Amino acid sequence: NAGVTQTPKFRVLKTGQSMTLLCAQDMNHEYMYWYRQDPGMGLRLIHYSVGEGTTAKGEVPDGYNVSRLKKQNFLLGLESAAPSQTSVYFCASSDMHRGNEKLFFGSGTQLSVL
Amino acid sequence: KQEVTQIPAALSVPEGENLVLNCSFTDSAIYNLQWFRQDPGKGLTSLLLIQSSQREQTSGRLNASLDKSSGRSTLYIAASQPGDSATYLCAVDSGGYQKVTFGTGTKLQVIP
Repeated sequence: NAGVTQTPKFRVLKTGQSMTLLCAQDMNHEYMYWYRQDPGMGLRLIHYSVGEGTTAKGEVPDGYNVSRLKKQNFLLGLESAAPSQTSVYFCASSDMHRGNEKLFFGSGTQLSVL
Repeated sequence: KQEVTQIPAALSVPEGENLVLNCSFTDSAIYNLQWFRQDPGKGLTSLLLIQSSQREQTSGRLNASLDKSSGRSTLYIAASQPGDSATYLCAVDSGGYQKVTFGTGTKLQVIP
């Protein structure tokens, strides 16, 4: 019953440091997404993937990179962290987009950049 | 650009009360609308999904309606319980993996 699993759950970085957030799903979903959630703003899409080996930019991609080498995993990287990247990050997945597929979310990663 | 608004931002009700949460959107050309629940420090859990061709969906004490022409959706919670306390978000799918727009949510507190 794992669904979508994110690691780590919490992380504190100093400005300029790098890190990778890992997302894993066990539902054989084709589509995976990375969102960030900030106070007073709705979730915003960073990057997404429509299948193994594919990635695309979302609404707020600057400062982030992603990779999807395996269908079940979607990695989000911060090469040089900035305080503006302090946020809660959520990974989500869904089945083939036919207009009626639910989004399944991980429990989030709270990231603070000092 | 699709915009999704949820008013009020916070709501406090006594236990047992029936309540309605509102979601409005600016572009009626949508594929579906989802209602999510988010507990503090947790991810989002999908409650109900209404396809564009549907008017409402029901699950237990929850009923969601959709009126595309007016750009509105409501989530009705019957006989509210303290365990219903959470933030409720709506998300509108305008037809593409990158075109899901989220509202900022309504934080609900049900007082015992």
